[in-house]
Amino acid sequence: QSVLTQPPSVSGAPGQRVTISCTGSNTNIGAGYDGHWYQQVPGTAPKLLIYGNINRPSGVPDRFSGSKSGTSASLAITGLQAEDEADYYCLSYDISLSGYVFGTGTKVTVL
Amino acid sequence: QVQLQESGPGLVKPSQTLSLTCTVSGSSISSGIYYWSWIRQPAGKGLEWIGRIYSGGSTKYSPSLKSRVTMSVDTSKNQFFLKLTSVTAADTAIYYCATSVYCGDDCYPFLDHWGQGTLVTVSS
Repeated sequence: QSVLTQPPSVSGAPGQRVTISCTGSNTNIGAGYDGHWYQQVPGTAPKLLIYGNINRPSGVPDRFSGSKSGTSASLAITGLQAEDEADYYCLSYDISLSGYVFGTGTKVTVL
Repeated sequence: QVQLQESGPGLVKPSQTLSLTCTVSGSSISSGIYYWSWIRQPAGKGLEWIGRIYSGGSTKYSPSLKSRVTMSVDTSKNQFFLKLTSVTAADTAIYYCATSVYCGDDCYPFLDHWGQGTLVTVSS
């Protein structure tokens, strides 16, 4: 059972904006540890989408943005496209578990 | 650009030891630039970090798996390894290796490069 909670699913029409929350606690995100985001298309390895809460690696479209507030991190996708259909996971460090923790995962569906 | 490739038996019997290899190209394990991690994902489920190793041999393991996990490196072959003992059906998963940039002993940066994953099934 993960200590980082995400909604199981979010959906939106093409062109719309969706957000995914990653709710943690004072032993991970709330303790100042960064949140990172991954996109996983079924059958493939996770791909880094956002690192250090807000940073996009080279090649990631600026439709993807990240933020952090308190004990939560968030991922926003604006101008939703069909190719954005995938599973999304957050990642952080948890000091009580002494290791990385992944979020529960969110499936994004483009209607 | 670092590239990673997992390999190992696709089928392991219950109670036996799962052994996987991650072969690295595009960077030298002995360079000390990266940590080397293992992550797994049961079918239809989420990701679970198993642990990591640094080129000098220092390791950090997930507390939930620590009693069964051993990681090691072979710098001459540019490979690192995972051993998981006393496996059960619950260990059936896709196993990924991944890198993160070294930043100190107690530092946990994002995982950037990932292998494509290898499916391991635990069954008699």
